[in-house]
Amino acid sequence: IAGITQAPTSQILAAGRRMTLRCTQDMRHNAMYWYRQDLGLGLRLIHYSNTAGTTGKGEVPDGYSVSRANTDDFPLTLASAVPSQTSVYFCASSDSTQGRIAFGSGTRLTVV
Amino acid sequence: GQNIDQPTEMTATEGAIVQINCTYQTSGFNGLFWYQQHAGEAPTFLSYNVLDGLEEKGRFSSFLSRSKGYSYLLLKELQMKDSASYLCAVRDSNYQLIWGAGTKLIIKP
Repeated sequence: IAGITQAPTSQILAAGRRMTLRCTQDMRHNAMYWYRQDLGLGLRLIHYSNTAGTTGKGEVPDGYSVSRANTDDFPLTLASAVPSQTSVYFCASSDSTQGRIAFGSGTRLTVV
Repeated sequence: GQNIDQPTEMTATEGAIVQINCTYQTSGFNGLFWYQQHAGEAPTFLSYNVLDGLEEKGRFSSFLSRSKGYSYLLLKELQMKDSASYLCAVRDSNYQLIWGAGTKLIIKP
């Protein structure tokens, strides 16, 4: 089934630890995104990639890094997790910067 | 700054009609999206408007007025499964999506 796969589904992480959230899509979409969603706030863009080999910073990039080595994969790394990074993280993709966005099922991350 | 406003929460009765409003102030406009998000799940696409007017898709319709910076999502013949959050998002001049905080819709029998 075509779509976006995120892993892990949920994670409890000790503050200061490094963590990579994985995201893979099989729709051959050019653009990929990482959002965080917190209660009472809209989806906030962390980083994006318009095409393989390029990345850009979104609204809340501090403390996060991404890479886009190929079309399918777009991992998000927290170099040294802090409690304020507790959130639900959604990976998303679209066939172009103008297309509608499809979302993965999300990763619920708790930093303690 | 860029801003999307939606009501935080609305309540409606099963079988009725509800209208969820969205107003926006963004740097440019390249389309408006509505997404549905059930609790604990990912957002799923509902509708897309880029020109003024009404787009109808089954029980759901979405309206856009670019001159007023305004959209609404109309849900007819409400069902219990329509209980969810509804997210409004606008694509700005840089083709970035700006998201509203969402409207939580509660359906009562």
